[in-house]
Amino acid sequence: NAGVTQTPKFRVLKTGQSMTLLCAQDMNHEYMYWYRQDPGMGLRLIHYSVGEGTTAKGEVPDGYNVSRLKKQNFLLGLESAAPSQTSVYFCASSEWGIGELFFGEGSRLTVL
Amino acid sequence: DAKTTQPPSMDCAEGRAANLPCNHSTISGNEYVYWYRQIHSQGPQYIIHGLKNNETNEMASLIITEDRKSSTLILPHATLRDTAVYYCIVRVALPGANNLFFGTGTRLTVIP
Repeated sequence: NAGVTQTPKFRVLKTGQSMTLLCAQDMNHEYMYWYRQDPGMGLRLIHYSVGEGTTAKGEVPDGYNVSRLKKQNFLLGLESAAPSQTSVYFCASSEWGIGELFFGEGSRLTVL
Repeated sequence: DAKTTQPPSMDCAEGRAANLPCNHSTISGNEYVYWYRQIHSQGPQYIIHGLKNNETNEMASLIITEDRKSSTLILPHATLRDTAVYYCIVRVALPGANNLFFGTGTRLTVIP
C-alpha cells in the first residue's frame, strides 16, 4: 500500500517550459488536492477535485491546470513555467470532504 | 473558515509533555479543529481533530476549551522524532473540498 505517490520528486525547468506533475493514490479516495509550499510559509491550495472528472480552483490557481481523468490520478500542469512557480508541491487525498488528508512526499520544482 | 494563531516556535525537553497552544477566537459552531505536523520537508501528517470534546489517540491529546476559542495539542512524552512544524487548522464540516488553511504553524524543537 503506497498511499500517495508523486512523480517526479525533483525537476528543474527553464522559464516558459511546460511540465506535468503526477499524483497517484491507491486508497480509492474521492478527494484529491494540490498544494504548494514556499520557504517559511504554510501550504496553499492550488486546485482540488471532489471526484473523477471534476476539478475546482483553490487559493492560488493562476498559472496551473489540472485534470482528474481517473479516480486514482490527479495531474498538475504548468503550461509556461515562471520563476514564481519555484516551490515544493504536495499532493493529498482524502476519503471524503472532512476526513484526514494523506499527503505525498512532495515534488521540488525549480524554474530558472 | 476561521483563522488560527500559534506561537512561531517552542522548545520541549525530551521525555516531557509538549503542550502546543492554538487560538481560534473566531471559530464557528460547526468548525472542527485539526492538527497536522510536518517533519523536515516531508508531506504533512494528520495528528488529531475534534469539535468540542477532548480527544485522544495514540499520537496525542487535543484539549478544546469550553468556549472553543482555543485548544492545546499535547504530546505526552516528546521524543526527538517529534521535532516538526505543527499546524492548527479549523474548518467547516461540510461536504466539499477539504480546504485546510495551514498557516505557518509552530516549530517544535525537542531537546535531548
